[in-house]
Amino acid sequence: QSALTQPRSVSGSPGQSVTMSCTGSSSDVGAYSSGSWFQQHPGKAPKLMIYDVSKRPSGVPDRFSGSKSGNTASLTISGLQAEDEADYYCCSYAGSETLVFGGGTKVTVL
Amino acid sequence: QLVESGGSLVQPGGSLRLSCAASGFTLSSHWMYWVRQASGKGLVWVSRINSDGSRTGYADAVKGRFTISRDNANNMFYLQMNSLRAEDTAVYYCARDILSSSSAWGQGTLVTVSS
Repeated sequence: QSALTQPRSVSGSPGQSVTMSCTGSSSDVGAYSSGSWFQQHPGKAPKLMIYDVSKRPSGVPDRFSGSKSGNTASLTISGLQAEDEADYYCCSYAGSETLVFGGGTKVTVL
Repeated sequence: QLVESGGSLVQPGGSLRLSCAASGFTLSSHWMYWVRQASGKGLVWVSRINSDGSRTGYADAVKGRFTISRDNANNMFYLQMNSLRAEDTAVYYCARDILSSSSAWGQGTLVTVSS
């Protein structure tokens, strides 16, 4: 149950696009289509932004998008806004009733 | 809505039971999870239980020490934590359906393991 690998930080100016990766293995990210992404502001509970790799829950802006290639999932924020500054975590099913999170990526809006 | 309770200061080796009260939805229709977050650190999955309690899973770090359970009749679910260690110190979140569109999280309860 090793944590998924995410870059510690990414940054961009308002209006730009940023993409963050989430690298796992053929036992988790690469094996299942159940990957999720969560946004967490300081002192707050996580909020679901993407599920099933690329689906957005209702209420999440369409500038958030998800994808996957092999053992790596990605989250892209297009048209970056100030309120997008937060920590982002990926999560994947890892088999045998277990899940694994990534270490988190801090998004900074310059 | 999900509301956690039961977090407190406990000595190493001690036990604690966390509770999560669900309201506004039928608990029996959902997978439920516990996730923890140490101060300044990332989210770590702890445990999960299926809708009728027949399937459970645990992170290696807590296997054999923690037990997840649920009481669908009273819309509650629990995490019994035994043999607590300093490294178990964290905010513990209860959550619903982490991997699906109906995901929802509580606000967390703080567990501190210290002498």
